[in-house]
Amino acid sequence: EIVMTQSPATLSVSPGERATLSCRASQSVSSNLAWYQQKPGQAPRLLIYGASTRATGIPARFSGSGSGTEFTLTISSLQSEDFAVYYCQQYNNWPPTWTFGQGTKVEIK
Amino acid sequence: EVQLVESGGGLVQPGGSLRLSCAASGFTFSSYSMNWVRQAPGKGLEWVSYISSSSSTIYYADSVKGRFTISRDNAKNSLYLQMNSLRDEDTAVYYCARVPDTAHIDYWGQGTLVTVSS
Repeated sequence: EIVMTQSPATLSVSPGERATLSCRASQSVSSNLAWYQQKPGQAPRLLIYGASTRATGIPARFSGSGSGTEFTLTISSLQSEDFAVYYCQQYNNWPPTWTFGQGTKVEIK
Repeated sequence: EVQLVESGGGLVQPGGSLRLSCAASGFTFSSYSMNWVRQAPGKGLEWVSYISSSSSTIYYADSVKGRFTISRDNAKNSLYLQMNSLRDEDTAVYYCARVPDTAHIDYWGQGTLVTVSS
């Protein structure tokens, strides 16, 4: 079973600053990695898929990088609407599973 | 506009059953695979089950295998999750989600809350 570990658990950032979130897989997931944003009381929203491709309508300040076991989500200049919990997710061919990290909460500093 | 609307959640006793539904609109439902994903109160996301567009391929998480059954009716643009032998740990918001390429989820419903408690 592939385990996804996100760090840090909580990230305190001031508006306008850069935020860097990490996600590590216990074994290679190639580029089968997605990032989601979830705000309180809302469903998750897809930000990044294929490790680095922005989903439709996602602002350019969100970027993803990495492959294999190490991945990063970068928010270049945090806006007020970006304070939320962020999850990474991998897809593994066999056994077929979708596994999520435990989440990183980005809060206002 | 893609819309996924879950229903069927509620309070059920341990050992009981519940059937969740997801009504899809705004896209060609029969062309997409679908997932159920759940989130326990205050916790992270957990994948539950996957079904391919034609229902030919179905997967379950180990935590629900043998107790939950996923199905779909493409003529009704609907996805289902039959949940039997429910346990306290099945308490969660259950999301219906669209899977465009078996690797990620691009749209999520708003979720339906299932509470298992005596």
